[in-house]
Amino acid sequence: AQKITQTQPGMFVQEKEAVTLDCTYDTSDPSYGLFWYKQPSSGEMIFLIYQGSYDQQNATEGRYSLNFQKARKSANLVISASQLGDSAMYFCAMREGGGNQFYFGTGTSLTVIP
Amino acid sequence: DAGITQSPRHKVTETGTPVTLRCHQTENHRYMYWYRQDPGHGLRLIHYSYGVKDTDKGEVSDGYSVSRSKTEDFLLTLESATSSQTSVYFCAISVFQGAGNTEAFFGQGTRLTVV
Repeated sequence: AQKITQTQPGMFVQEKEAVTLDCTYDTSDPSYGLFWYKQPSSGEMIFLIYQGSYDQQNATEGRYSLNFQKARKSANLVISASQLGDSAMYFCAMREGGGNQFYFGTGTSLTVIP
Repeated sequence: DAGITQSPRHKVTETGTPVTLRCHQTENHRYMYWYRQDPGHGLRLIHYSYGVKDTDKGEVSDGYSVSRSKTEDFLLTLESATSSQTSVYFCAISVFQGAGNTEAFFGQGTRLTVV
């Protein structure tokens, strides 16, 4: 079974609107971390946000927030007030507490329309 | 950038030739990883290392070997390159950030083309 599933290969959003990128995960480890990375067309991988499995509140970093629904095993990324520079690939990832590997989803390509 | 450097950044090689990619870090982090990125597959783990001379396989390790003789260097070798190994290769390190957060930092990537 896939550890990380991103079901949206591509998304479009109007500039200044909010957008939600979906991510579901699969683990039996009670301790884990969830991450989102951004990959612009230049190719580098940029860390955006982290959510720990025991964190009581949803993580936020500026315009990024993580909608963490533990019972549903989902960790959706919400980008508010989209900007043209948000156009990129976005990857969801997980690290299980008992392991040393990071598991990545297949990514979502976001295009922000002026 | 967490002091990670990959070399070369771009390489074109012929089928059947051996190829070595280098990942260098400057901060003595214990864990290092090699991923490949392909459209529709995201990032898939090839091998990782948890210390000098300590390595383990990831999900797509066939056709690849690694070595780590020094903390700062993690080498990925394609023993006999095939066209299916045309990909973008990323090196990463994991860094403990506190409060249970261990984050992955990535190198710039190496674009490898096997012709």
